[in-house]
Amino acid sequence: EDQVTQSPEALRLQEGESSSLNCSYTVSGLRGLFWYRQDPGKGPEFLFTLYSAGEEKEKERLKATLTKKESFLHITAPKPEDSATYLCAGGNRDDKIIFGKGTRLHILP
Amino acid sequence: NAGVTQTPKFRILKIGQSMTLQCTQDMNHNYMYWYRQDPGMGLKLIYYSVGAGITDKGEVPNGYNVSRSTTEDFPLRLELAAPSQTSVYFCASSSAGNTIYFGEGSWLTVV
Repeated sequence: EDQVTQSPEALRLQEGESSSLNCSYTVSGLRGLFWYRQDPGKGPEFLFTLYSAGEEKEKERLKATLTKKESFLHITAPKPEDSATYLCAGGNRDDKIIFGKGTRLHILP
Repeated sequence: NAGVTQTPKFRILKIGQSMTLQCTQDMNHNYMYWYRQDPGMGLKLIYYSVGAGITDKGEVPNGYNVSRSTTEDFPLRLELAAPSQTSVYFCASSSAGNTIYFGEGSWLTVV
C-alpha cells in the first residue's frame, strides 16, 4: 500500500534557526513528489514538485530535495511568516496523490 | 485567476439532510479530486476523476457520490448526512501526473 509519512508532527524554532522537515514515502511508480504549504483556514498552496532522485528546488528560504526513499524540506533562517503546516504528497503510477499528515511549523520571533 | 472554485464556503446540515458541494476549475485540467481533511489526520481522498464521464473511488468514498459531466465541474453529493461527515472538504485539479491545485475549502458541520 502506498504511504507517505512526515516527521516531526510539529516543530517549534526560533527565528533564524534553520532546520529540515522529513517526508518518507513508499509510492508505487512515483510520478512526482509534491510539497505544499497550508495556512489555517486555507487550501494547500503549491510549493514544489520533484520528479527524480537527486533533484533539488529552491524558493526563498525553502529548499526541497529528493532521494529514492525520502524528501526533505530545508528551511534556512526562517521568519515568523514561515509558520504554517507543510504537506508532502506522492503521485503514484495510477495518478493518485497520497498525502502525509503534515508538519506544523511554528517560528518564534 | 480563478483556478479551482468551491461553493459553499460554510454549511451546517442536520442529520439525514442531503447537499451538494460544487467545484469548478478553469485550467482545462482532466483530473479532479475531492479530499476531506480532519484535524491531525491529513488529507483523505474521497473520489477522483480522470476525465469527463469517468469517476473512481478513493480511500473514503462511503456516504458520498460524484459525477463528472463536463471537464470543468466535479460536484460532490452527500446523501443522508451523518456527524462523521463533519469536516473540511477540498476540491483539486491537475493535468495528468502533474501538480494538483486546490480550492479554498468548504467547511461542513453536521448536527
